[in-house]
Amino acid sequence: AQSVTQPDIHITVSEGASLELRCNYSYGATPYLFWYVQSPGQGLQLLLKYFSGDTLVQGIKGFEAEFKRSQSSFNLRKPSVHWSDAAEYFCAIFGNEKLTFGTGTRLTIIP
Amino acid sequence: NAGVTQTPKFQVLKTGQSMTLQCAQDMNHEYMSWYRQDPGMGLRLIHYSVGAGITDQGEVPNGYNVSRSTTEDFPLRLLSAAPSQTSVYFCASSYSSGSSGYTFGSGTRLTVV
Repeated sequence: AQSVTQPDIHITVSEGASLELRCNYSYGATPYLFWYVQSPGQGLQLLLKYFSGDTLVQGIKGFEAEFKRSQSSFNLRKPSVHWSDAAEYFCAIFGNEKLTFGTGTRLTIIP
Repeated sequence: NAGVTQTPKFQVLKTGQSMTLQCAQDMNHEYMSWYRQDPGMGLRLIHYSVGAGITDQGEVPNGYNVSRSTTEDFPLRLLSAAPSQTSVYFCASSYSSGSSGYTFGSGTRLTVV
């Protein structure tokens, strides 16, 4: 069975600082991996996805993620965060005909 | 193009009552899923469907039923509501390859008292 682990429950960064959110996965084959963002009281919006090819994928809102097969990781990064990036971020894996989520990382931005 | 539409947006039920959460999509997606979201637990899969007439259980199926008579609709039924089912429920859909990612509805906030 597939699984996703997001080891950081809550991260606080200063506006303008760089960001990295961690995601580790477990799956027996090449995974389809996703990052979603959820603003308070809202639904989920797809940030980016990986399913083959280049291991560095670009997404919306200036986010990128790097797939590392040797580390079973798919970490999300952004060079400079904005106050509007404050939200909850979910890593997810598609396999066995279903999408499985991690428990999420809440991002707080301080001035 | 409405995407994934969930109704109602909010609902309060008494313990033991039944109800159906509606989900419809107009993208001709084969795959549809129901999730519940609880603080600190992420989104947990309740039931999913890979096409009309086909459904399967996810991680937390107890207390919920689904059916998929058409490609467009995937209702979630609570048979006898319990306070433990207080949650935010999301419906999502995708093409069968999964590589395009899932599109989510805006959610239903359910409170069982």
